[in-house]
Amino acid sequence: AQRVTQPEKLLSVFKGAPVELKCNYSYSGSPELFWYVQYSRQRLQLLLRHISRESIKGFTADLNKGETSFHLKKPFAQEEDSAMYYCALSPLGRGGGNKLTFGTGTQLKVEL
Amino acid sequence: GAGVSQSPSNKVTEKGKDVELRCDPISGHTALYWYRQSLGQGLEFLIYFQGNSAPDKSGLPSDRFSAERTGGSVSTLTIQRTQQEDSAVYLCASSFSGTPYSNQPQHFGDGTRLSIL
Repeated sequence: AQRVTQPEKLLSVFKGAPVELKCNYSYSGSPELFWYVQYSRQRLQLLLRHISRESIKGFTADLNKGETSFHLKKPFAQEEDSAMYYCALSPLGRGGGNKLTFGTGTQLKVEL
Repeated sequence: GAGVSQSPSNKVTEKGKDVELRCDPISGHTALYWYRQSLGQGLEFLIYFQGNSAPDKSGLPSDRFSAERTGGSVSTLTIQRTQQEDSAVYLCASSFSGTPYSNQPQHFGDGTRLSIL
């Protein structure tokens, strides 16, 4: 079975401060990890995935298999980053579709 | 269509009634997923379709829940004899099929907010 843990329900930071949203996972096979974001009154959308190794909107996330973590980071928070962030896992190597297992989400609030 | 479309956006019904929720995936997406988002439970997987087949129904909470997909496109999720605990936002997502080395990102609809009185 797979599990995703996001320990913080709410994270409040000041504009310009660094942000780190924590995500830990457990899965016995090879996982693919994602971060999804839901802005106010918008649909859930993909922010980034570990396989792409890219930075989106200044956010990065590195998969640490030793610590089974996939923390989301941004060096300088912006007001428009305020949103609900979900970490999600799906198994690799099964081809076709793979269901996502989500964490409970972290509400990020960036204050001026 | 620009994205995944779900209808209705809101549904209020009485306990014991049946409801049907509809999902129109992005054109060309062969994989389709249903999830449920409820207070205290977060986002939970319900069922996955590849084409018209459902290889994974493991998330359906009871036999009151069923889903079908026709023409490799539109899907309906049916809840029979609704209970108050069925109140939630039901989300649909679609994607292209993945490979053994990489999963395809799922694109989500706005969801149907279901309220059981």
